[in-house]
Amino acid sequence: DVKVTQSSRYLVKRTGEKVFLECVQDMDHENMFWYRQDPGLGLRLIYFSYDVKMKEKGDIPEGYSVSREKKERFSLILESASTNQTSMYLCASSLPHRAGEKLFFGSGTQLSVL
Amino acid sequence: GENVEQHPSTLSVQEGDSAVIKCTYSDSASNYFPWYKQELGKGPQLIIDIRSNVGEKKDQRIAVTLNKTAKHFSLHITETQPEDSAVYFCAAPRDDKIIFGKGTRLHILP
Repeated sequence: DVKVTQSSRYLVKRTGEKVFLECVQDMDHENMFWYRQDPGLGLRLIYFSYDVKMKEKGDIPEGYSVSREKKERFSLILESASTNQTSMYLCASSLPHRAGEKLFFGSGTQLSVL
Repeated sequence: GENVEQHPSTLSVQEGDSAVIKCTYSDSASNYFPWYKQELGKGPQLIIDIRSNVGEKKDQRIAVTLNKTAKHFSLHITETQPEDSAVYFCAAPRDDKIIFGKGTRLHILP
């Protein structure tokens, strides 16, 4: 079975901390994405990557950065966590496409910033 | 760029009845419209999709219809069952990305 694994299911951090959210996929997918999910706002794209060492900003990149050193791993970094970054974070991967391929999602990381 | 509007935000239906969720999109060039289902504690999962060369697609109890002229597409679930309770998201492409609607929480009442 295809799998996207997010390293933590729940995470609690303090304001100002540097936070790393890790995502690994075992499907040899070129494309990887980070979304955040908030009640009433749906899924909003933070960053995405179409290849190793490549990254592009999504709709809400402010306060975040990403790293893709290996094809299977895509990390989301909160340089200095703030309370408004408390959210559910979802990682996804897909085959190369012009937005016409199935996204495979991880189970999500619920991040609380205190 | 593409904008996707989804309605309703919450929907309650009696078990056995049908449920319909509607989405509108803004980019007339969009040609791929997926629907994702998110169960509690899980990530979203693709349940059905439609491409712009067809008007309707069915898979057992679920179907999606597409009206390109009006720029809207809908998810239809017939004979609803308790396991249909979930959050449903429509989506549409924008450039090389997928943009999601805000979701519909579907409750199936016993």
